[in-house]
This record gives sequence, C-alpha cells and structure tokens, in this order.
Amino acid sequence: EVQLVESGGTLVQPGGSLRLSCAASGFIFSDYHMDWVRQAPGKGLEWIGRIRNKANSYTTQYAASVKGRFTISRDESKNSLYLQMNSLKTEDTAVYYCTRGYHSFDCWGQGALVTVSS
Amino acid sequence: DIQMTQSPSSLSASVGDRVTITCRASQDISNSLAWFQQKPGKAPKSLIYDAFSLQSGVPSKFSGSGSGREFTLTISSLQPEDFATYYCQHYKSYPYIFGQGTKLEI
Repeated sequence: EVQLVESGGTLVQPGGSLRLSCAASGFIFSDYHMDWVRQAPGKGLEWIGRIRNKANSYTTQYAASVKGRFTISRDESKNSLYLQMNSLKTEDTAVYYCTRGYHSFDCWGQGALVTVSS
Repeated sequence: DIQMTQSPSSLSASVGDRVTITCRASQDISNSLAWFQQKPGKAPKSLIYDAFSLQSGVPSKFSGSGSGREFTLTISSLQPEDFATYYCQHYKSYPYIFGQGTKLEI
C-alpha cells in the first residue's frame, strides 16, 4: 500500500525556519516525482513545488510565492521527502501536504499544520 | 501562468441527482487536467487525471470530459458521501494551478 506520512509541523515565529519531512512507503521512491501542496485555513489548494525523480536528476521547480525561501530535497536511502522553509511569513500558515507526482497527484499524505505567528 | 476558473463556486443538490462542475483554463492545456475531492479536515483525493481517466479505485459514477480550455466533472447518482469540495488542477506547465474549488452541498 502506498503511504505518505508528513511530520514536523508546528508553531514558528515570523522570520523563522522549519523543515517538514514526508516518509514514503509502498512504492519505489526514486521512480517518482514528488510535490508539496499547501492549504491555508479555509482556503483552496496551492502547489508550491516539485522535485523530479532520479531519471530526471532530482531537479526542482517552485511556485513564485516560495521561490528563494523554500527548498525541496529528498533522501533516497530513507525514502523521505523534505521541505526546508526559511524566512517564514504569516501567510505561510497552512496545512502542507506531500504528494506523489504521478498522473497529476495520485497519492497524498495526511498533512502537517504549520502556523507562523508571534 | 495558466489560471483555472471553476464554476459554480457552490452547488446545492440532493441525493440521487446528477451534477456537473466546469473548469476553464486561461489557455490551451490539451488534456493536462485533474480533478480532486476534498472532505473537511481530510487530504484531497485524486479522482481523474488526463481530463477523463479514472484513478484506480474511483467509482465510475465520476466522469471527466473536455480538452483544450474547457473541462467538466460529472457525478451521477449523488450519495451522501459525495458531498464535498471539488478542485480542478492543470499540469500543462509550471506553476501547476488549482481552481478555486466547488463546494457541493445538500
């Protein structure tokens, strides 16, 4: 069974940093692109970035709203995806989902809540 | 960026009804269009990809159509578990953009 489990969500102050993790299981992790999608409270879904698979040299793409502040990485030895978030703003408050980038986004984690507030 | 516009924003329906949700892209996206269902407090669930292909395990009551700029999601014979928010999303080019959502209510 394909499973994605996020962790690391917490309360952080504006300007602070945080790293989210996503543990993947049930599939060959290195074969798939992986994405992060977020959802602010009461709002819609926002794609924030992708890291491609091994065959595509793990290259990355980001939404303009996070480019230069957020970094997506992956560790194939741990079947894990990461989202490093720096210079956090109050508008980054959201539930962050990791997703498998196959046939759009075919599988989703349960989400991790990040609250940016003083 | 390619923008996605869903209509309606909300929709009232009854058990047994058939409903259609529309999604329009600001430019041609061929068939690079997906649909998702989200229930309160839960992660989105993928329903359809490539405009009309059902994700594994999704019942055939859900169907997608369209290409180019205009797409539809049709849900037949509504059941209580179908009342949720539905999103379209394109993946023609970066950034991938979601529609604003359609809340399907009883």
